[in-house]
Amino acid sequence: NAGVMQNPRHLVRRRGQEARLRCSPMKGHSHVYWYRQLPEEGLKFMVYLQKENIIDESGMPKERFSAEFPKEGPSILRIQQVVRGDSAAYFCASSPPGIGNYNEQFFGPGTRLTVL
Amino acid sequence: SQQGEEDPQALSIQEGENATMNCSYKTSINNLQWYRQNSGRGLVHLILIRSNEREKHSGRLRVTLDTSKKSSSLLITASRAADTASYFCATDVTGTASKLTFGTGTRLQVTL
Repeated sequence: NAGVMQNPRHLVRRRGQEARLRCSPMKGHSHVYWYRQLPEEGLKFMVYLQKENIIDESGMPKERFSAEFPKEGPSILRIQQVVRGDSAAYFCASSPPGIGNYNEQFFGPGTRLTVL
Repeated sequence: SQQGEEDPQALSIQEGENATMNCSYKTSINNLQWYRQNSGRGLVHLILIRSNEREKHSGRLRVTLDTSKKSSSLLITASRAADTASYFCATDVTGTASKLTFGTGTRLQVTL
């Protein structure tokens, strides 16, 4: 059973370009979370999605950032018109459906975004 | 201070010694989880302790939770060089699928 997959692992963009980060949850998991980690800091929650639904986007910047988790395919975190301050590691996590797992989340290896 | 703050920020010990890290939080929680992150890598789930539990063990790890003080500690016994990593606590308010709130982490260095 493969773990959470993220790609690309490293992404370099120039200011103003778009960045697309992909996340495939663990098999059987229907909940996906995106977190951002700045250097020397902890992870900050961005958005929580289920298939075709955004459940909680309280951590998403109001502009330029969007996320989706389509019926088929990976979850996508999209950053439009990137700026240097977007440089960070972006982690995806997934958890299984239903109750009883106490919300243990399984993390992917992350995508390190560098904006030049 | 933010929900989930670890103390100390950095800790350096010798192999074989015990390492203790503390985490404080502000709001009521359903459970608290500890994660490890090796440099430049993803997070690995270590242990989860529920709000009605006071202590939990897993191998060389021992976690305590004091909900009256809103604090938790992670003890790693007989540390090894491979334990060198950053350790984060994460609080969960609901116990069901929802966001985790992470602390700033303790960077542990275990030297030979």
